[in-house]
Amino acid sequence: DAGVIQSPRHEVTEMGQEVTLRCKLISGHNSLFWYRQTMMRGLELLIYFNNNVPIDDSGMPEDRFSAKMPNASFSTLKIQPSEPRDSAVYFCASSFDQGRGGYTFGSGTRLTVV
Amino acid sequence: KQEVTQIPAALSVPEGENLVLNCSFTDSAIYNLQWFRQDPGKGLTSLLLIQSSQREQTSGRLNASLDKSSGRSTLYIAASQPGDSATYLCAVRSNDYKLSFGAGTTVTVRA
Repeated sequence: DAGVIQSPRHEVTEMGQEVTLRCKLISGHNSLFWYRQTMMRGLELLIYFNNNVPIDDSGMPEDRFSAKMPNASFSTLKIQPSEPRDSAVYFCASSFDQGRGGYTFGSGTRLTVV
Repeated sequence: KQEVTQIPAALSVPEGENLVLNCSFTDSAIYNLQWFRQDPGKGLTSLLLIQSSQREQTSGRLNASLDKSSGRSTLYIAASQPGDSATYLCAVRSNDYKLSFGAGTTVTVRA
């Protein structure tokens, strides 16, 4: 199994541009989390999906952030328009049955907004 | 809201010494607890998963204990090596599915 796959690994964009981060779940997993990690705030939960349905998006910082699961194995996190304070490492993590067997994280996308 | 605390924030030991990393959580109604390792600039690698009904889990030189009633978990790493240098994160999965992280303990093992 290739694990949770995130793309791109690095993204540098100018303020105001749209950014799309991608995540492919492990085959058979049905729960997905998006996290953001910064030195100041550590790991913050942004949104949680179960069986393709957003269950909790209370961590999404603003309306500029949106996330989708167009199918059972793929998710996107979009920021439009991006701002310098969005600079962080974004991780997705997947699990089976809402984490009963633990969570597997992707390698992350390092986003820099200049 | 579940609060997870990891002490100490940083630890430096000579090679060969045993490591003891602590994790505490405020709400004992947890489903499981997972220890991760994070190398600089990298993702999170799962080390051990302890279900709420278990007291400990072992993998090689790693042993993690769980005392749910007191809200504590401890990760022991025996005979540390320079390759063990990393940040170790404790994550608690509450009964409401949320996974809450501590801030981590950064370990340096000196050769």
